[in-house]
Amino acid sequence: GENVEQHPSTLSVQEGDSAVIKCTYSDSASNYFPWYKQELGKGPQLIIDIRSNVGEKKDQRIAVTLNKTAKHFSLHITETQPEDSAVYFCAVGFQKLVFGTGTRLLVSP
Amino acid sequence: NAGVTQTPKFRILKIGQSMTLQCTQDMNHNYMYWYRQDPGMGLKLIYYSVGAGITDKGEVPNGYNVSRSTTEDFPLRLELAAPSQTSVYFCASSFGGGTYQETQYFGPGTRLLVL
Repeated sequence: GENVEQHPSTLSVQEGDSAVIKCTYSDSASNYFPWYKQELGKGPQLIIDIRSNVGEKKDQRIAVTLNKTAKHFSLHITETQPEDSAVYFCAVGFQKLVFGTGTRLLVSP
Repeated sequence: NAGVTQTPKFRILKIGQSMTLQCTQDMNHNYMYWYRQDPGMGLKLIYYSVGAGITDKGEVPNGYNVSRSTTEDFPLRLELAAPSQTSVYFCASSFGGGTYQETQYFGPGTRLLVL
């Protein structure tokens, strides 16, 4: 089955810095790559997604890049703010979603 | 729209007890899912449904059962609770699925403690 690895497990940055989280996957048939943000005590919420026929997608301060050949994709957050502090999960989809183990992002003022 | 709602928010069970976790969505989504989230881990798929009357196993189905009699509801049943089922359970729904995955919308979760 699909195997998803996510790094780093924790990431601390200063407000205004950029943050990058990376995920690798194993199944070349996977064609959908969403990123979810989970705040304390809440369910995950989609923040951005990308499909296998696209290499990069941006939405204001967040972007996702996909390298199908290397089987990895990354989440980029620019100009981080304290409210970006949360746990971020990548996921990989074909038939079903398989989630990474999460990255705890802490943005210090 | 309330989205995906789950009840209860928190429950303590004794070993061997049974309970049903409720999940309802008001978005007319075809696909519904149950995940469990253990500390420091990602979400693991327990069961999913592609429509009323159709359910299938996910990655970790042992010890659980589901049914889907309506589009809106997708309850998860624990028959004989075990400490290994201590976790946070999330229900999710999506309009599309299968080989064309779409956004999954998650409920707020049910925290279950089995003692």
